[in-house]
Amino acid sequence: NAGVMQNPRHLVRRRGQEARLRCSPMKGHSHVYWYRQLPEEGLKFMVYLQKENIIDESGMPKERFSAEFPKEGPSILRIQQVVRGDSAAYFCASSGRKETQYFGPGTRLLVL
Amino acid sequence: AQSVTQLGSHVSVSEGALVLLRCNYSSSVPPYLFWYVQYPNQGLQLLLKYTSAATLVKGINGFEAEFKKSETSFHLTKPSAHMSDAAEYFCAVSDDYGGATNKLIFGTGTLLAVQP
Repeated sequence: NAGVMQNPRHLVRRRGQEARLRCSPMKGHSHVYWYRQLPEEGLKFMVYLQKENIIDESGMPKERFSAEFPKEGPSILRIQQVVRGDSAAYFCASSGRKETQYFGPGTRLLVL
Repeated sequence: AQSVTQLGSHVSVSEGALVLLRCNYSSSVPPYLFWYVQYPNQGLQLLLKYTSAATLVKGINGFEAEFKKSETSFHLTKPSAHMSDAAEYFCAVSDDYGGATNKLIFGTGTLLAVQP
């Protein structure tokens, strides 16, 4: 049973470009969470989604960031017009019936 | 508002020695508490969780944690450290486990080094 998959594992973007991060939850899981880990810090909650619905986006920056979890396909975290402060590790977690969260390996974004 | 405090950003122990990683929480409702481990350049792996059953929780790799309401603590212990335990450990709290949101609030992490 494959775990949570994230791709790409590493992403380099120049300031002003767009970054798209993908997350495929564990089989049978319909709840997806995105967290951001800045250097030397713990993980910070960003957004919680179920299929086709955003349930809680209280941790998302107000501008440039968006997330979706379509009926078919992976969840996408999209960052428009990236800035150097967006450099971080972005982790996706999934759960079944809103219980224990299982984390993916993360995408490490570097903005030059 | 919920929060988690991990005392000691870096802990170093000798192989075979006791491991004690401290976590204190703040929550206005009965909390659900978790310990995760992160190896370099990897995701987080769940070590153990407290969800209001037994206060002493046993996890994987020989780790355990005890929920102490009077001390608002959930410290992680292992009787004898192994070199493979070297990693970063995160304590997390949720006030809504299995509920509407279920988001986790993480501490800032403790980096455990194990000396030969």
